[in-house]
Order: sequence, then structure tokens, then C-alpha cells
Amino acid sequence: GQSLEQPSEVTAVEGAIVQINCTYQTSGFYGLSWYQQHDGGAPTFLSYNALDGLEETGRFSSFLSRSDSYGYLLLQELQMKDSASYFCAVKMRSNYQLIWGAGTKLIIKP
Amino acid sequence: DAGVIQSPRHEVTEMGQEVTLRCKPISGHDYLFWYRQTMMRGLELLIYFNNNVPIDDSGMPEDRFSAKMPNASFSTLKIQPSEPRDSAVYFCASSSGGLSSYNEQFFGPGTRLTVL
Repeated sequence: GQSLEQPSEVTAVEGAIVQINCTYQTSGFYGLSWYQQHDGGAPTFLSYNALDGLEETGRFSSFLSRSDSYGYLLLQELQMKDSASYFCAVKMRSNYQLIWGAGTKLIIKP
Repeated sequence: DAGVIQSPRHEVTEMGQEVTLRCKPISGHDYLFWYRQTMMRGLELLIYFNNNVPIDDSGMPEDRFSAKMPNASFSTLKIQPSEPRDSAVYFCASSSGGLSSYNEQFFGPGTRLTVL
């Protein structure tokens, strides 16, 4: 079936770099997007990769490789405020269905 | 713009009662999404509309759930009758753009529903 797989939890140290992977078992989508959600808050849009390659927005970068069926979100110079859950999502070309990953909880230690 | 507006922010009701959640999307957005989030199941897309027409309702859990969008500025999600397992945070989101592309979604603050 169509699914996006993410690690449930990732732990990193403040100031470090962390990569959150998103692998998928589907094809024929418009691109890969990433959202951030703090505890008690609503998801907010971070980035979108329509094409293969790297997209950079400040400390955050996102990558997509359709041939390898995966993408990732890269967070640099981690700050405590980056502690949140991160979701990947795609929109299917066939039926416009939206598929979301289960989310990755990022824990940052001082 | 005020962003996506949801009401109520919190709802506590008893099992068997009807619950109606409301959403006002961002003006000019032609897509509206309803999500449910729980610790056990994560973030689930229930249904989404394009120009007030439902496009994908495959995530609606059962007949007790129904969603309407009578006009471009208002949508409701109704649960009748409600059950304790419906307890969750319900998010509404909106976006703009073409159907054949991905569009950034703007989420409302959510409605925290507790069914006793």
C-alpha cells in the first residue's frame, strides 16, 4: 500500500546536526513536504521538494530522491526550540489523496 | 489575515451526544482539510474539500462522522452520536492552488474534544 515511514523518535544534542528520514512505498506523487509541530500546537509548514535535490531554508534543509524512494529533513545548529515532532507528507497524482507519515519526535538535549 | 479559525477550542461532552466542530478557512483559499490527531494513531486526514466539493473522504472513520462545506468560508465536522474513542484534537487546515500540485497547508489551532 501507500505509506510513508519515519523513525518514531530521534535524539540529538544542542548545536549539533540531525537528519530525519522519510522513506516511502508509493510512487506518482507531486513532491515531499515537511511540517513541524510543537507539543500542544498545530502543524506548521517547513518545506517542500517538488523535484529531486536539496532545498535550503535557513538552518533547515530538505532532500528528495525519487529513484531511492526517500527524502530527509536536515536541521543544523540545533536549538532547544527545535524540539518538536516532524511530519513528512505527499499528495498522490492518481487520486489527489494526501498521505502523511506518523511523525518523528525530535528530542534535543543540552 | 486572522488565519484559520476553529471553534470551539475545547469541547467536553457525554457519550451519545452530537458534536459539531466549526472551521473558517483563510480567505481566498479553495482547499479545506479536516484532521484528527491522537497519541495512538497520530495525525489522520479525515476529509478534504476543493471549492466546497469533497475530494477525498476515505479517512472518515464511519457513518457517525459527516463533514459539510456550504460555502467557501465555512465548514463543519459533525459526530453523531459521539463515543469516548472520538476523543482527540481535531484540526482544520486550508490552502490554495491547483488540484494537480501540492500546496502548503495552514492549520488552525485545533479543537480538543473529550467524550466522557
